[in-house]
Amino acid sequence: LAKTTQPISMDSYEGQEVNITCSHNNIATNDYITWYQQFPSQGPRFIIQGYKTKVTNEVASLFIPADRKSSTLSLPRVSLSDTAVYYCLVGAYDYKLSFGAGTTVTVRA
Amino acid sequence: DTGVSQDPRHKITKRGQNVTFRCDPISEHNRLYWYRQTLGQGPEFLTYFQNEAQLEKSRLLSDRFSAERPKGSFSTLEIQRTEQGDSAMYLCASSPGGTGGYEQYFGPGTRLTVT
Repeated sequence: LAKTTQPISMDSYEGQEVNITCSHNNIATNDYITWYQQFPSQGPRFIIQGYKTKVTNEVASLFIPADRKSSTLSLPRVSLSDTAVYYCLVGAYDYKLSFGAGTTVTVRA
Repeated sequence: DTGVSQDPRHKITKRGQNVTFRCDPISEHNRLYWYRQTLGQGPEFLTYFQNEAQLEKSRLLSDRFSAERPKGSFSTLEIQRTEQGDSAMYLCASSPGGTGGYEQYFGPGTRLTVT
């Protein structure tokens, strides 16, 4: 499994865009990039997954450059309820999700 | 609510006691997973079922741990002779078969405290 590096924490304010960059220099050809969100006392929740370029859904956008050695999760116009831990996962289709420590995003009023 | 459910949500036990947790996956999902999460860390994989077959166990799952999924429906995770180091959140997840193994649906977890 490719090792990932992401910031430990980020602070933002309501209405701002939050961008979390994840580094994965050893990503393999078959690997996908997946992001999960976890609120306190809840299980993680799948947010978005991509292989290359850009993926967008109703929650977030995922930007992946051509070399795929990093990716950026973009959360548009965050609110207080977006305060959570965000995990970047990299790997091929597999049943074992490998989570790191994640990025704690704190949104302030 | 048709999500993954876990019972109990909280369990406090004394060291040396046995505990059992239950997970009910989303009904049409044939894959079920158990993870353990300690404070400040991401979840760690414990074991995985495809229907009733347990296909992989992490080395984190010592001999004191056993998981079952009879008839491919709900699953139980039992910890025998609990130790203080077992204190953690135990998470269950499920997913449908086929492709898309990276999108797993997690339950709310069972928080275990061993005193």
